Amino acid sequence: NAGVTQTPKFQVLKTGQSMTLQCAQDMNHNSMYWYRQDPGMGLRLIYYSASEGTTDKGEVPNGYNVSRLNKREFSLRLESAAPSQTSVYFCASSESDRVYGYTFGSGTRLTVV
Amino acid sequence: KNEVEQSPQNLTAQEGEFITINCSYSVGISALHWLQQHPGGGIVSLFMLSSGKKKHGRLIATINIQEKHSSLHITASHPRDSAVYICAVLRYNFNKFYFGSGTKLNVKP
Repeated sequence: NAGVTQTPKFQVLKTGQSMTLQCAQDMNHNSMYWYRQDPGMGLRLIYYSASEGTTDKGEVPNGYNVSRLNKREFSLRLESAAPSQTSVYFCASSESDRVYGYTFGSGTRLTVV
Repeated sequence: KNEVEQSPQNLTAQEGEFITINCSYSVGISALHWLQQHPGGGIVSLFMLSSGKKKHGRLIATINIQEKHSSLHITASHPRDSAVYICAVLRYNFNKFYFGSGTKLNVKP
């Protein structure tokens, strides 16, 4: 099925561990995004990539790195996880923000203990 | 300060009721996006608006650019409409959306 695929769906990390969240889309979209969602707050942008080979910081980039591996894939890395990074992470992609908006992945629930 | 405010934060309705969820924003925008997040967590796009009104089934979305306000209406609500409804705005000259914190809707049978 066409769409945005995120892995893993659930993850528990210990403080200081590292991990990479994977995201892939098969809709040939140029733009891809990583958001985090915390209780009582709107989705907050961590990083985005307007096109293959480019990445930019969003509102809350500290503690994260990203790689736009190719047009399909956009990964999010936590180098040294902290409890404050406990959240639900969503990847999204877009062909034309103004016309079509976003297509979201199903989310990754991350707990850092 | 959040550029996008939604009201109410929580809403409980009886099946069949007409529901209105509001979204106000404080910045110039080129488009507004309504999304639905089900209890399982998945986020689905409902409408993209830049002016006027759109309708899909029992859902109607309107936007008033001058008043910086949008509404999402659900007619003949049903328990399966229970979800969090999220408003997001695409600011002028920005290529990303800013999100409201969502309205949690519970429709009781």
